[in-house]
Amino acid sequence: SQELEQSPQSLIVQEGKNLTINCTSSKTLYGLYWYKQKYGEGLIFLMMLQKGGEEKSHEKITAKLDEKKQQSSLHITASQPSHAGIYLCGADGGAQKLVFGQGTRLTINP
Amino acid sequence: EAGVVQSPRYKIIEKKQPVAFWCNPISGHNTLYWYLQNLGQGPELLIRYENEEAVDDSQLPKDRFSAERLKGVDSTLKIQPAELGDSAVYLCASSLRPRSEAFFGQGTRLTVV
Repeated sequence: SQELEQSPQSLIVQEGKNLTINCTSSKTLYGLYWYKQKYGEGLIFLMMLQKGGEEKSHEKITAKLDEKKQQSSLHITASQPSHAGIYLCGADGGAQKLVFGQGTRLTINP
Repeated sequence: EAGVVQSPRYKIIEKKQPVAFWCNPISGHNTLYWYLQNLGQGPELLIRYENEEAVDDSQLPKDRFSAERLKGVDSTLKIQPAELGDSAVYLCASSLRPRSEAFFGQGTRLTVV
């Protein structure tokens, strides 16, 4: 079955700084999803990537799926306190099962 | 458009007691998921429905967990009897079809004491 490894597991950045979160898959990705979760809340859908080399942006968040389709990155530009939370990548883990990485906890210091 | 609705938000029960969670997916979404999320970890799939059919329940501990999705809309997840290790957040999600983006409810935080 497919496994997703996220790095780093936690990240503390100064407000206004840029940051990148990575998601590496043990198998070829046929659909990669990024979600954000606030503590004690459900997951909020951010973006979905399907094609190798695809890149999508929403406000100050950009996600890319590499050409070989085994890694995705999430980049936040000029981070703000509202970006704090847990970022999760998810993918089709085979038989249309949506599986997730362990999450990256992002803290933004003012 | 209303999102995925789960209830209750919080539940505290004593071990060996039964508990049930309810999920109302987004209207028109045929695929429904139940996930379990332990603290500091990503969600783990318990069961996936396509309409009213459970198409993947391989991770559901069937000795104590059961689920149903009558008429292919609302779903309930039940634990009987609950154990201390069942304390976690139970998330429900729905999508139009498999491999389309899934939308999550707020979750039910279960504490077994």
